Amino acid sequence: EVHLVESGGGLVQPGGSLRLSCAASGFTFSDYTMNWVRQAPGKGLEWISYISGSSRNKYYTDSLKGRFTISRDNAENSLYLQMNNLRVDDTGVYYCARSGAVSGLESWGQGTLVTVSS
Amino acid sequence: EIVLTQSPGTLSLSPGERATLSCRASQSISYTNLAWYQHRLGQPPRLLIYGASSRATGIPDRFSGGGSGTDFTLTISRLEPEDFAVYYCHQYGSSFGPGTKLEIK
Repeated sequence: EVHLVESGGGLVQPGGSLRLSCAASGFTFSDYTMNWVRQAPGKGLEWISYISGSSRNKYYTDSLKGRFTISRDNAENSLYLQMNNLRVDDTGVYYCARSGAVSGLESWGQGTLVTVSS
Repeated sequence: EIVLTQSPGTLSLSPGERATLSCRASQSISYTNLAWYQHRLGQPPRLLIYGASSRATGIPDRFSGGGSGTDFTLTISRLEPEDFAVYYCHQYGSSFGPGTKLEIK
């Protein structure tokens, strides 16, 4: 069974940094593209980034390029999101999700809450 | 950047009725990249449809998707109580639509 567990969320001041992690199990991690998606309070879903299985390809939503960096460690079955210069509007629940073999995000973690506030 | 819009914003129906949700792209997208998700409060999103019309594993056949180009549709043939949630369309590797809230009438 696919299992994704996010961690690393918490309270951070504006301008601060945070590194989110996603621990994966139940599948061959290196075979799959992985994604980060977030949801601000009372808002819809926002796709942030994805990284291919080999880390060769990385894509970001335009508005977050330069502040957020996706990475993975296939030996550790882990996905990461480094978030710098955080803003109040980065507050929300952050999900990691595994891409399907064709398309779509077929497996999701429960999410980790990031709160950016002074 | 391709923008997805969804209509209606809110849909009020009763269990047993048919629901039709629309997703429109600002320019043509490949049908292979269009997916639909169900999102219930307090739970992670759930993939329903990928490739515009293929049901994900374990999704009941009352859910169906269709469309191509700029216009896509999610249909729920007979609403069950657990179907009342928010539904999002998504272009793979890009933006989500703003969502349609399906509420009990």
